[in-house]
Amino acid sequence: GENVEQHPSTLSVQEGDSAVIKCTYSDSASNYFPWYKQELGKRPQLIIDIRSNVGEKKDQRIAVTLNKTAKHFSLHITETQPEDSAVYFCAASLNDYKLSFGAGTTVTVRA
Amino acid sequence: GAVVSQHPSRVICKSGTSVKIECRSLDFQATTMFWYRQFPKQSLMLMATSNEGSKATYEQGVEKDKFLINHASLTLSTLTVTSAHPEDSSFYICSASEGGDRVETQYFGPGTRLLVL
Repeated sequence: GENVEQHPSTLSVQEGDSAVIKCTYSDSASNYFPWYKQELGKRPQLIIDIRSNVGEKKDQRIAVTLNKTAKHFSLHITETQPEDSAVYFCAASLNDYKLSFGAGTTVTVRA
Repeated sequence: GAVVSQHPSRVICKSGTSVKIECRSLDFQATTMFWYRQFPKQSLMLMATSNEGSKATYEQGVEKDKFLINHASLTLSTLTVTSAHPEDSSFYICSASEGGDRVETQYFGPGTRLLVL
């Protein structure tokens, strides 16, 4: 099955700085890569996703890049704000639509 | 759009009892729903895929007789934890896909925190 690795496990940034989270996947057939944000005790919220036919996607302060050859994808958050503090999960999916999640990154934005 | 609800949000039960958790897609029809389990400070682990009108598909290591899944309609899937024990205590989250052009996208319910005493 698919194996997704995520780094770093924790990330502390100063407000206004950028945050970058990286994930790698094992199955080259994976074609869908969503990112979820989860606040403590709450549901994961989809923040951005990318499909394998696209190399980069941006939505305001959030961007995701995909390198199919290297089998890795990254989340970039610019101009971080305290409300960006949360746990972020990357995931990968094959055509069966089952998501394999990374271990998560706890992001703390220092005011 | 794409709102998923879950009930109950929290349940405490005695060891040996069964607990039913409901997952509903409120504003769309979900042919497929997924059930996850999440331990504190850990990732989401897929337990099973629930398909309307057919038997659920369980991931390796998940006991189908312990975690009964019923997908009775296009908007409702239920997970029953049978004869619950303290090690079953966890955060259970469902997700659903609205299909169509966004068939891969999963929207999550708010989760159910189960504590078995």
